[in-house]
Formats: sequence, C-alpha cells, structure tokens
Amino acid sequence: EPEVTQTPSHQVTQMGQEVILRCVPISNHLYFYWYRQILGQKVEFLVSFYNNEISEKSEIFDDQFSVERPDGSNFTLKIRSTKLEDSAMYFCASSVRDGQYFGPGTRLTVL
Amino acid sequence: QQQVKQSPQSLIVQKGGISIINCAYENTAFDYFPWYQQFPGKGPALLIAIRPDVSEKKEGRFTISFNKSAKQFSLHIMDSQPGDSATYFCAAAPYNNNDMRFGAGTRLTVKP
Repeated sequence: EPEVTQTPSHQVTQMGQEVILRCVPISNHLYFYWYRQILGQKVEFLVSFYNNEISEKSEIFDDQFSVERPDGSNFTLKIRSTKLEDSAMYFCASSVRDGQYFGPGTRLTVL
Repeated sequence: QQQVKQSPQSLIVQKGGISIINCAYENTAFDYFPWYQQFPGKGPALLIAIRPDVSEKKEGRFTISFNKSAKQFSLHIMDSQPGDSATYFCAAAPYNNNDMRFGAGTRLTVKP
C-alpha cells in the first residue's frame, strides 16, 4: 500500500538555524499539507499546497516558514530561523481530494 | 469559528464494550468530517470520514453519526478491542479540504 514518507525521523538543531523537513507524498496525490503537533497536544494545520502554490495557510505559518515542491516527488518545509517553540512533530500529508494520508512525522528538537 | 471541540479527553472501556467519542464544530463552512487514529510515535491514520449529506456511516466496527442541525458528530467503536487503544482525533475541513481543524484528541484505553 502506498504511503507518505518523511525524512529525517528526528532532527536536532540549534536555535536560529535553518531546517528543511522532507516529504515524499503518495505518487498520484495532488494536494499536499504540513501539520505540526506539539507533544501531547492536538494536530495543527500549517499549510496546504496545490498546483505548485500555497492554497491556504494558518496563522502559525509566518514568514519563517516556506514550502516547496522542488521536483515531481518531494515536498519540503523550511523553517528559516528556528525558535525553541518550533520543537514539535511535523507531519506531512497528501490527498487526491478528500482523505488526507499522513506520514510518520519528523520530530524537530530546537536547543 | 474554526474550533472543533472533542470530548471526552480520555476514555476507558472494557473489551467488547462500545466506545463513544463526541465532537462539535462551529463553522458551518465545514463540509468534511474525518476521524483519525494515532498510536504513540506514529502519524494520524485516517479511520473513517463523513460528509453532511448523510447522517451515519459505518465501516466495520466503526460508525460515524452526524447531526447537521446540532453541528455535532460522534465516533462509535463497537466491540472495542485492546488493539483499539490509541488517541482518536476528530477533524473538520471546508469543501476544498484545506485548513483542516483537529479536535484535542481522546485517549482511549480498552481493558482486556
């Protein structure tokens, strides 16, 4: 069964550093998303992406965040200058239309 | 307007019992209501979903009941099993499926 994959599984970085989280969505999916989940809390929407542009973004997705689909398979989330409060699980998801399928997540730890 | 409220926060059920988790939403633009199951250290997995044109949807032991006028929906897990022990999230999204909002989650424990 096809699945969303994410790399790395765990990323440790220093405050102020840039990080790039990578995702490979399910191959025939058209819509791509990033979410985050702070430990023990609910899943929060960050951004949706369709047809090579952002469709929607939340209030969390400020100028420090950017997304890109650099080729036909990868979908990336970049955090330009990480803060302590960016520490969370970051999930990528993809969908054909309904039914978003989530990857296993990247645990980001900002020290 | 964008909130999805979920209850209870935690639930303990005996094996074979019925688990019921409730959600309420405010935004009438929400058009798609999925439930996700999450095990520790894993991503949320889509369990079952419903649109407001039906009041109930059943898949195996899982049933969603939907009340459009009350803006409420619930997940029923029949014949609950210890393997069902996980955190369950309801969610709601507008017609374009963007900006999906999650409830706070319910930690279900099914005792053998």
